[in-house]
Formats: sequence, C-alpha cells, structure tokens
Amino acid sequence: GDSVTQMEGPVTLSEEAFLTINCTYTATGYPSLFWYVQYPGEGLQLLLKATKADDKGSNKGFEATYRKETTSFHLEKGSVQVSDSAVYFCALSPGSGNTGKLIFGQGTTLQVKP
Amino acid sequence: SQTIHQWPATLVQPVGSPLSLECTVEGTSNPNLYWYRQAAGRGLQLLFYSVGIGQISSEVPQNLSASRPQDRQFILSSKKLLLSDSSFYLCAWSLGQDKSPLHFGNGTRLTVT
Repeated sequence: GDSVTQMEGPVTLSEEAFLTINCTYTATGYPSLFWYVQYPGEGLQLLLKATKADDKGSNKGFEATYRKETTSFHLEKGSVQVSDSAVYFCALSPGSGNTGKLIFGQGTTLQVKP
Repeated sequence: SQTIHQWPATLVQPVGSPLSLECTVEGTSNPNLYWYRQAAGRGLQLLFYSVGIGQISSEVPQNLSASRPQDRQFILSSKKLLLSDSSFYLCAWSLGQDKSPLHFGNGTRLTVT
C-alpha cells in the first residue's frame, strides 16, 4: 500500500543553519504531496504542496520539490529561525478514487537553538 | 473563507465515562470530514472519515464511534472511555477532490484518569 517515510528526529540546528528534512514515498498512481507543520499544542497547518512531478511547493522560506524519479519530497529552508521549532509531517494524497484521506509520515521534530 | 472549530481544547474524564467531541466547519458545503488521533510523540492515525451526512467509514476497530448529524458537523463519541483513549484528537476537513489538502482544527487533548 501507499506509505510515507520521514527521517527520524529530533533535528537540532542553530539559528540561521540550513535545514533538510527527508521524505520518501511509495505510491501507485500519481499522488499529491504535502508538508504540514505542527506547533506545540496545536493542530496541523498546511505548509506547502505539490500536485505533480517536478512541481516545487514553497511557503515562508520553505521549499520542497516533487521528485518522481527518486520518489522524494524533501523539505528545505536556507536559514532557520527559533520560531521554526515544530514537528513537520510529510503526507501524500493518493491518485484518483481517493476519498480525500491523507497518508502521513511519522513526523520529524525540529529544534532550533538561538 | 473556511474555518474549522473543534472543542473542547482540553478534557479530563474518568475511566468508564462517556465522551463527546464536536467539530464544525464554516464557509463550505458538503466537505469531507475526518477524525485523527495522535499519540504523544507519534504520527497521525485516521479514525473515521465521512463523505456526507450519515455516511461514516471507520478505519480501525476501537472503543470510539463517529456521527455526522449535519452537513458541517462531525462528532466523536464513546460510551465508556478507557485509559488507552488518552490522546490528542484532531478534526479535519477537505473538499474531497483529488489532490485536496486537509485543513485541521486545533485539536482536543483528552486525558482519561
């Protein structure tokens, strides 16, 4: 079945460091891919998305490119801030016939130190 | 614009007591609705989803049930809570179309004592 695998955390970085959180997926068909962010005690917020191969999603300085050849959707940011500390979830929406359910990775905790 | 409301934010209930968590969506019609559970430090587990009034699909067998009495209202219930029901519960909605993202509420922290 379809699945999402994320790198294990926590990831600890100093402020202004470069961030990469790896995400790979397994899917039949042509899924859409998403990154969500969860701040402590809150629900998940959509960070960015990509709906087809080679699309680049971007928001708030974060970017991720849909790589069909490597089945990956790695999250990157050039310079992280303390306020970026949160849990990040990679998710996919399967192709046609879907009921709208998303399949989530296990989440990666990011800690940014000043 | 669309908004989703989920309440209560926190809840402490004794073992064996009933549960009712409510979620409502504003600003859209006939959304798909979802209940997820998130155990501490872990990922999300889909519990139920609904594509219309009275239509509920269960993803995992458990002590919980869901109902959708109105188009934009989704309720998570239990007749008798177990200690293992302690978790963070999240409601979400989507347009239900291919490639639609989910939009989450702020969650309910349930502690069963």
